[in-house]
Amino acid sequence: QKEVEQNSGPLSVPEGAIASLNCTYSDRGSQSFFWYRQYSGKSPELIMFIYSNGDKEDGRFTAQLNKASQYVSLLIRDSQPSDSATYLCAVNPGSSNTGKLIFGQGTTLQVKP
Amino acid sequence: GAGVSQSPSNKVTEKGKDVELRCDPISGHTALYWYRQSLGQGLEFLIYFQGNSAPDKSGLPSDRFSAERTGGSVSTLTIQRTQQEDSAVYLCASSLAGGKNQPQHFGDGTRLSIL
Repeated sequence: QKEVEQNSGPLSVPEGAIASLNCTYSDRGSQSFFWYRQYSGKSPELIMFIYSNGDKEDGRFTAQLNKASQYVSLLIRDSQPSDSATYLCAVNPGSSNTGKLIFGQGTTLQVKP
Repeated sequence: GAGVSQSPSNKVTEKGKDVELRCDPISGHTALYWYRQSLGQGLEFLIYFQGNSAPDKSGLPSDRFSAERTGGSVSTLTIQRTQQEDSAVYLCASSLAGGKNQPQHFGDGTRLSIL
């Protein structure tokens, strides 16, 4: 079992729809969770982080965390073609006492005009 | 500078040569991380620096890889006797502090190609 799992996609949604990206993790002691966006040929860009169970909203983005189910998700409302990118889920494992991150393989999102 | 700066942006070298990759973190960030991203492997942690010391080197794939950080700022990742499997994008990230719950910000990376 991979430490951080994401569906590679592509996930295709029409412009204006809600895109839902999901991530599961294996280390139950994990405490912090990050979502990065990566455009083709570019480096990852931090868009959201969440530490506590529940929802965290920032503009069109909402991160959701359920530690009991070891599940974290990212919702993008009113999706735009510019949101088309690969979304990386990253987890700080409980087994580490540093900030090192374990990344999923990423989900490719396509927003069609 | 405003962000994490890495150089060179691209490096092509022959198998067996040594390479040095440089990272200049965001000013004031005490924690620095090296990752690499290759096709099929995703983004993998290599090493973590807090100040000038490296308490976590667990991701370095072999003893051909080493890194140092001086003055609590610039870091250099060195790969000796490069192999073709070392071809990847090497990414540096920094965060304000080194513990958990610290967002990391990435540089643009160095694309390394081993011929």
